[in-house]
Amino acid sequence: DIVMTQSPDSLAVSLGERAAINCKSSQNVLYSSDNKNYLAWYQQKPGQPPKLLIYWASTRESGVPDRFSGSGSGTDFTLTISSLQAGDVAVYYCQQYYSTPYTFGQGTKLEIK
Amino acid sequence: QVQLQESGPGLVKPSQTLSLICTVSGGSISSGTYYWSWIRQPAGKGLEWFGRIHTSGTTDYNPSLKSRVTISVDTSKNQFSLKLSSVTAADTAVYYCARGGGYCSSASCWNWYFDLWGRGTLVTVSS
Repeated sequence: DIVMTQSPDSLAVSLGERAAINCKSSQNVLYSSDNKNYLAWYQQKPGQPPKLLIYWASTRESGVPDRFSGSGSGTDFTLTISSLQAGDVAVYYCQQYYSTPYTFGQGTKLEIK
Repeated sequence: QVQLQESGPGLVKPSQTLSLICTVSGGSISSGTYYWSWIRQPAGKGLEWFGRIHTSGTTDYNPSLKSRVTISVDTSKNQFSLKLSSVTAADTAVYYCARGGGYCSSASCWNWYFDLWGRGTLVTVSS
């Protein structure tokens, strides 16, 4: 199985400041035949299901604010929130869909400082 | 707008079989474009993928659960279902159904992310 490791486990950022969450996969998730990274990011607020934010490592899902961006390739990825809003408080998960069984990172809890 | 809704017993006794149904509305599961998946989340913990199914009947299961899991589809009802046998307290979790895990065109199928989720249903295993 591909192990996904996120850092940090929790993060406190001031409103309007930048937040960055890292995700490292134990194996390469870049598929050579289509040159795509099979990596997604989700946001989960309390009592809600996860919501897709980013897929193919850097493509924003429709309706997701452009302050959310994804970067990275191969085994190292980052989710960046450029200017933190109060509504961004949540747990964020990365997930690889390169190979089954699909696996998620342990989650990063983002709070307001 | 496609929506997913999980349903099933909220309480299951140890050693019994957990059975859940996901009803898809606003779109046809029979289109064959997507795979459909089950994912669970124990309280305060992370996400675990159970497996996926295509309307062709093709399934893939997480090896860690494979011996206990069955995922099936009923296109006439626009539903897919999860059965987990021999449950223990460790199977207590919120169970989600989701669209994704695979995407198919006329030419081929690809692994895929989860773009739509149900609201989830809490299943407690207790006597």
